[in-house]
Amino acid sequence: AQKVTQAQTEISVVEKEDVTLDCVYETRDTTYYLFWYKQPPSGELVFLIRRNSFDEQNEISGRYSWNFQKSTSSFNFTITASQVVDSAVYFCALAGANSKLTFGKGITLSVRP
Amino acid sequence: SQTIHQWPATLVQPVGSPLSLECTVEGTSNPNLYWYRQAAGRGLQLLFYSVGIGQISSEVPQNLSASRPQDRQFILSSKKLLLSDSGFYLCAWSVQFDTQYFGPGTRLTVL
Repeated sequence: AQKVTQAQTEISVVEKEDVTLDCVYETRDTTYYLFWYKQPPSGELVFLIRRNSFDEQNEISGRYSWNFQKSTSSFNFTITASQVVDSAVYFCALAGANSKLTFGKGITLSVRP
Repeated sequence: SQTIHQWPATLVQPVGSPLSLECTVEGTSNPNLYWYRQAAGRGLQLLFYSVGIGQISSEVPQNLSASRPQDRQFILSSKKLLLSDSGFYLCAWSVQFDTQYFGPGTRLTVL
């Protein structure tokens, strides 16, 4: 069975602070994919990144960066110099051999001006 | 580019009434299509997925059904709504089982 754990439920930071959202996953599949989605107040899930299990390189996209570590089964997401527009619910998700997405429960990030 | 539409955006229905939510995708052919429900407290639950016209897989036995009458159209239905059907319904598409892209969602309140 697959499982995604996002232990943090709510995080509140002041604008310009860095913030890291944690994601820990469980799977028996050797090939799998990890995702992060953002859900702003409007409700639509916005795709941020996909990583496959064979690519442990960290990725940076502007103020966003992702740290994938198979040794600890973690796929953490860092926002540098956070902005009010980053306020949203962030979901980590896993797709294994059956290709179905398993989502974590999400982390509500509030960035205060 | 591909776009995904859902309607209506919001819906308030009485218990026992029927339901029809529609999802359409533009800009791609033969997509995989998915229906998710997000109840209060935010967990996302996969309800149905479809790999082609008329092909529906149900993930959770419940009061809902899905149909795919056309390649890029996915419909979620119920004959009689329950209070527990309230939630935020999201449609998604993917190329085969690649990354899923989500629509704007329908917020359903059953009273």
